[in-house]
Amino acid sequence: DARVTQTPRHKVTEMGQEVTMRCQPILGHNTVFWYRQTMMQGLELLAYFRNRAPLDDSGMPKDRFSAEMPDATLATLKIQPSEPRDSAVYFCASGLGGRADTQYFGPGTRLTVL
Amino acid sequence: GQQVMQIPQYQHVQEGEDFTTYCNSSTTLSNIQWYKQRPGGHPVFLIQLVKSGEVKKQKRLTFQFGEAKKNSSLHITATQTTDVGTYFCAGPVRYGNKLVFGAGTILRVKS
Repeated sequence: DARVTQTPRHKVTEMGQEVTMRCQPILGHNTVFWYRQTMMQGLELLAYFRNRAPLDDSGMPKDRFSAEMPDATLATLKIQPSEPRDSAVYFCASGLGGRADTQYFGPGTRLTVL
Repeated sequence: GQQVMQIPQYQHVQEGEDFTTYCNSSTTLSNIQWYKQRPGGHPVFLIQLVKSGEVKKQKRLTFQFGEAKKNSSLHITATQTTDVGTYFCAGPVRYGNKLVFGAGTILRVKS
């Protein structure tokens, strides 16, 4: 059955390194969302796209985070340089783009920055 | 900005007891959605409520949408260990496709 896929599932890196996370939305979905989840902050929306265009990235620290959709089957979230406070689980979700849209989450990337 | 609050933050129940989590929005919602996240897993869509006063059931789960469309509840009858996880409610922002998620209620079930 159709699922959102994310790679890598786990990533351990050192402070200052670049991290790239990838997401393949469900085929036919035209909205893609990036969330960050931590115990302290819960589920935070970082950015979202509709038809590959970025619509809102107000939740994202602009100086080090960037999100793109190079094509309809790939969304990327990049952190450069990474910091220990970026340690979290990053989820990608996709949807059909309707007004009452349900979101389908990927399994997440667990990022640890040492 | 638009906010969605959930209570309680955490509940620990004995297997077989009932459980309820409540969700309140600062604004009227066009719909409310509920998601469940198992420990170590990802949020999974459970249900969407659209109409004022709507009640929907999924086996032992009962979902309600308030008359004013600003609050909602999820009630689980006779909890089982498979019910453990975090339950989130979420409502759409007025414009666009974003959802505002509540902080979630963590449910633990003692067997």
